[in-house]
Amino acid sequence: DADVTQTPRNRITKTGKRIMLECSQTKGHDRMYWYRQDPGLGLRLIYYSFDVKDINKGEISDGYSVSRQAQAKFSLSLESAIPNQTALYFCATSDPRQGSDTQYFGPGTRLTVL
Amino acid sequence: GENVEQHPSTLSVQEGDSAVIKCTYSDSASNYFPWYKQELGKRPQLIIDIRSNVGEKKDQRIAVTLNKTAKHFSLHITETQPEDSAVYFCAANPSKAAGNKLTFGGGTRVLVKP
Repeated sequence: DADVTQTPRNRITKTGKRIMLECSQTKGHDRMYWYRQDPGLGLRLIYYSFDVKDINKGEISDGYSVSRQAQAKFSLSLESAIPNQTALYFCATSDPRQGSDTQYFGPGTRLTVL
Repeated sequence: GENVEQHPSTLSVQEGDSAVIKCTYSDSASNYFPWYKQELGKRPQLIIDIRSNVGEKKDQRIAVTLNKTAKHFSLHITETQPEDSAVYFCAANPSKAAGNKLTFGGGTRVLVKP
């Protein structure tokens, strides 16, 4: 779905570096989410935001922080990257006000921490 | 919090046969159960969902059933085709108060053999 974009698509970094992953959407949705995907573990929620002034921790928020700069932008930061944060990261959006609970995912960012 | 278990983790079927994936959830207040399909290298996309006031829902070759008493729901794919090969994720929405926050199962890799 081209309405939800993520940058970068791939990133290789070293242990201890600060990394920011960005998500933008043109769907006009109020809710945004960050997930990480690891083999066999499905999609695990890191942080979510129901509007610009709302930030909530998900099930695995340790080591991560987020910023909702605008309704359309939601960034995920790794303050000091470590190897077990190597994963595929997805941003998603939804808006029940539009009559659906569907979450729309971005294309993903593959992050490797060496 | 909510816990979603998904089985099997891998499923191999002959083209034309049926495939069934089962999920159980722990929070009896959960009221929304979507299924997402993720093709290789692609983002997860919603294929079907069901709410707690409905026992079964069909969309062409795909159906989902829900047993609230037993707290489990299943995805049924009939007349499987090679393009059904993908990873499938079930999810549950823990409660109305949680908004759209979803808890995902670990995923099932389905391979349809021609």
